[in-house]
Amino acid sequence: DTGVSQNPRHKITKRGQNVTFRCDPISEHNRLYWYRQTLGQGPEFLTYFQNEAQLEKSRLLSDRFSAERPKGSFSTLEIQRTEQGDSAMYLCASSLDRDRGIGANVLTFGAGSRLTVL
Amino acid sequence: AQTVTQSQPEMSVQEAETVTLSCTYDTSESDYYLFWYKQPPSRQMILVIRQEAYKQQNATENRFSVNFQKAAKSFSLKISDSQLGDAAMYFCAYRRDTPLVFGKGTRLSVIA
Repeated sequence: DTGVSQNPRHKITKRGQNVTFRCDPISEHNRLYWYRQTLGQGPEFLTYFQNEAQLEKSRLLSDRFSAERPKGSFSTLEIQRTEQGDSAMYLCASSLDRDRGIGANVLTFGAGSRLTVL
Repeated sequence: AQTVTQSQPEMSVQEAETVTLSCTYDTSESDYYLFWYKQPPSRQMILVIRQEAYKQQNATENRFSVNFQKAAKSFSLKISDSQLGDAAMYFCAYRRDTPLVFGKGTRLSVIA
């Protein structure tokens, strides 16, 4: 297992276009998270899944954003009608839901997908 | 809502010296997790160290250690024998039942 994989790594698009990002988590992890990070800021939570169920969505996730995790494996984050304010790094992370013990509650991050909206 | 505050936007340290990064947080919970993550330039975020709030003993990982003051809601990171590879953004993060809440980060420079 090579960790959390995100594609594409970079995406440049014109305002109004739709974009989709894919995240492949660590295979035995049952939780998957999406965060957004703008320059000089800490990551901001967008949404997360436990298996295929989307359990929580941030208020940051407007109706132009949609995320799916079919079959509880990989996840996609789609942004419709992109705006310049959507330009950011989109980070995916996964974790194994466990109360205690080694690895409990530790999120492993992917390298991110950088979006530039012109 | 839980908040995490890192009051030092930038810090610098001489190679081989020790530096401490500050973090405070706000929560009404008694059982939670605290983390320090490192994000090197243009590279992915990696876990540096983790602290479980129910444990009184401060966590250590090689050259990295924390000073966890639960009553003061303080969670500082000490890096000993700083190396050039330690240069990065460092994020403090809090978690209980909700996903990780991050601070705004501290940019650490290491001077040769």
